Amino acid sequence: AQSVTQLDSHVSVSEGTPVLLRCNYSSSYSPSLFWYVQHPNKGLQLLLKYTSAATLVKGINGFEAEFKKSETSFHLTKPSAHMSDAAEYFCVGHRGGADGLTFGKGTHLIIQP
Amino acid sequence: NAGVTQTPKFQVLKTGQSMTLQCAQDMNHNSMYWYRQDPGMGLRLIYYSASEGTTDKGEVPNGYNVSRLNKREFSLRLESAAPSQTSVYFCASNPPNTEAFFGQGTRLTVV
Repeated sequence: AQSVTQLDSHVSVSEGTPVLLRCNYSSSYSPSLFWYVQHPNKGLQLLLKYTSAATLVKGINGFEAEFKKSETSFHLTKPSAHMSDAAEYFCVGHRGGADGLTFGKGTHLIIQP
Repeated sequence: NAGVTQTPKFQVLKTGQSMTLQCAQDMNHNSMYWYRQDPGMGLRLIYYSASEGTTDKGEVPNGYNVSRLNKREFSLRLESAAPSQTSVYFCASNPPNTEAFFGQGTRLTVV
């Protein structure tokens, strides 16, 4: 069955500390995987995408993600959290066609001052 | 560049009323989608359209109809709204094998 699984519904970190948001996917989504961010009452913004080029993908606002085929993981990281990073983050797989995009259930990132 | 435009942004309906959510994209994409977003559920696909005149059901199509009359526009219709359809609705489009572009969403409340 198709699936994208975000392992944490909430993550809380202190400002200035590293961020790790975890995502596992079923292999049928390779190579199209994405991370989107949604700030409160806003639309969805693309953070980064993996489409079978380099396994380490750099995105906007200092975020990056590493595609690990052996672990079927696509975790999102940032070295130093900022208050403006507080938002909902979605890991997304795309197989094309009628499947559309398959969203994980989201991780709510909380930044403590 | 407008990208993907949805209207309206907000709507309150009474149970049993009907309405149509409009979506238009100016990026010449063939594929367009309607999703709904509910707390703790991520976004779930309601309907998909691969091209003008074609539509397919997604994960949660019950209670909805769609229309893709031309390449730009993809509308979502609720014939008889129910409280369970209270949600935030997103329209999206994308070229093959790359990211989707989303509208700003429609916040619908059915009372």
